Amino acid sequence: NAGVTQTPKFRVLKTGQSMTLLCAQDMNHEYMYWYRQDPGMGLRLIHYSVGEGTTAKGEVPDGYNVSRLKKQNFLLGLESAAPSQTSVYFCASSYPAPGYTFGSGTRLTVV
Amino acid sequence: AQTVTQSQPEMSVQEAETVTLSCTYDTSESDYYLFWYKQPPSRQMILVIRQEAYKQQNATENRFSVNFQKAAKSFSLKISDSQLGDAAMYFCAYLNDMRFGAGTRLTVKP
Repeated sequence: NAGVTQTPKFRVLKTGQSMTLLCAQDMNHEYMYWYRQDPGMGLRLIHYSVGEGTTAKGEVPDGYNVSRLKKQNFLLGLESAAPSQTSVYFCASSYPAPGYTFGSGTRLTVV
Repeated sequence: AQTVTQSQPEMSVQEAETVTLSCTYDTSESDYYLFWYKQPPSRQMILVIRQEAYKQQNATENRFSVNFQKAAKSFSLKISDSQLGDAAMYFCAYLNDMRFGAGTRLTVKP
């Protein structure tokens, strides 16, 4: 079972460039999430989705956009990358069972 | 905003000894789950243990157990017979609110 797959695993961007991170899950989960992980701050929620076609803002949504056109996919976009967006990004999915299944993360560096 | 607090940024334990990681949380709900996740250097987030709030009995998974104090909103993780492979970041999570603590880095000394 693949579970939650994130692509790419690593990326270096120049300031002002755009990119899309893809998250795909094969568990028929309803909910999907994007988090960023920074040292000393744990995981902070960027955006989430409670079903196909729905999205909502989390704790740190500025500078990011998301889309959930298909139930199995949740895309995170950076329209104009900034050095402050250098981070490790995690996608997760859940529901109906409690608890998250995580992807393996994407390390993004913005120079 | 509801919070999850891990007050120990770093902890250290001798191999084969026991260590307890602390977590407190804030909620007004009565029915919820709490989780501990482990993140080894590989970066993968791994579920260690979960606790259902309406259950009186503390959850256990092999060498891992929790001390869940609902009234005090405390949820600590005890690791018994620590092994070198237990070295990792540990995150407490209250997922009803999609929140994680800041993490505790556990070092295991041989």
